[in-house]
Amino acid sequence: KNEVEQSPQNLTAQEGEFITINCSYSVGISALHWLQQHPGGGIVSLFMLSSGKKKHGRLIATINIQEKHSSLHITASHPRDSAVYICAVPSKSGGGADGLTFGKGTHLIIQP
Amino acid sequence: DVKVTQSSRYLVKRTGEKVFLECVQDMDHENMFWYRQDPGLGLRLIYFSYDVKMKEKGDIPEGYSVSREKKERFSLILESASTNQTSMYLCASRNHKLAGESSYNEQFFGPGTRLTVL
Repeated sequence: KNEVEQSPQNLTAQEGEFITINCSYSVGISALHWLQQHPGGGIVSLFMLSSGKKKHGRLIATINIQEKHSSLHITASHPRDSAVYICAVPSKSGGGADGLTFGKGTHLIIQP
Repeated sequence: DVKVTQSSRYLVKRTGEKVFLECVQDMDHENMFWYRQDPGLGLRLIYFSYDVKMKEKGDIPEGYSVSREKKERFSLILESASTNQTSMYLCASRNHKLAGESSYNEQFFGPGTRLTVL
């Protein structure tokens, strides 16, 4: 079973700062998910990536498959980015309909 | 617009009660999942379903059962609720056939049900 570690657990920053959230996993996989959860509970998928880098607006996700590590960056952070960011990987190697194993999440607060 | 709905946002039950949590998706997805989310533990998989009438245990199935009689509906059942089942419950669905390895397809989450067992 894959183990997922995220850091930091909590992060408070000022508006405009560059944010980095890290994710490491124990078993090699071909793709990784980044999710966002706002207060109130709803979870949305931000990225799925298998190599290199993906960018969506001010969000950038990178992955290094060999090092089993991914980072989520937020440029020009804004208070509306305040949320819990969660990294997830397939629970088992290979395909199938099994679920995801999730990191414990990074609670991000951006202060005005 | 894709949608996963859950029957209740907030639910309060008493110890020993039988509890049903319902999840409905309108995307014709084969795969559906039930997770619970607890502070400091993150999201953990309770049960999942490949397709109608199929179910597989996840990481923490004890004290729970599920039912999938129709493709769009996946129910989580607490046979006899206990206080340690107080949690946020999240349902998700996923298209199994979109890509070669379905584990990498996007999961769509419902809004969650916050269950309190007194």
